[in-house]
Amino acid sequence: EDQVTQSPEALRLQEGESSSLNCSYTVSGLRGLFWYRQDPGKGPEFLFTLYSAGEEKEKERLKATLTKKESFLHITAPKPEDSATYLCAVQANNDMRFGAGTRLTVKP
Amino acid sequence: DAGITQSPRHKVTETGTPVTLRCHQTENHRYMYWYRQDPGHGLRLIHYSYGVKDTDKGEVSDGYSVSRSKTEDFLLTLESATSSQTSVYFCAISPGTGSYEQYFGPGTRLTVT
Repeated sequence: EDQVTQSPEALRLQEGESSSLNCSYTVSGLRGLFWYRQDPGKGPEFLFTLYSAGEEKEKERLKATLTKKESFLHITAPKPEDSATYLCAVQANNDMRFGAGTRLTVKP
Repeated sequence: DAGITQSPRHKVTETGTPVTLRCHQTENHRYMYWYRQDPGHGLRLIHYSYGVKDTDKGEVSDGYSVSRSKTEDFLLTLESATSSQTSVYFCAISPGTGSYEQYFGPGTRLTVT
């Protein structure tokens, strides 16, 4: 069965303190791995798609990487506005399987 | 929200009553999805559609039905609501055909009393 596990469940950082979020997965026939950001009371917002091992994508302070078994979302010098829940998802066939998310809090 | 609206945004209903949630898109995307989001479970797929009148079940489809009579509208129906269906429901759309990222609506908070 397809599985997506995110760690840690919650992460508290000081502003400027870089860190990484992990997404490990088991899936047959990976079509893509996706990262989303979700703010309280809102729908998830699409950030990145990664298709193959070794691929990297960047957006502002965020950088996503992919291996055959896991993906990392690196956050460099985070700011308080980066506080949100970050969701990882994998696509196999016609459905997408989501992880439970990492709740990130960045303190000023 | 990528041209996606959901209605209603909030609803309180009683156990045993039918409920229909609507998702409307202006992007002309082929794929549409319904998810529910609960604490500790994350987002779980209920049903999805890959074209007008073409739908399929997801991970947690029991107690739910869907219909898609037009490209832009995807309806989720709870035939007889139960308290276990209290949740936040999200609609998502995707262009498909080599581009699988999904774009989400603002959500509907449903409470079944």
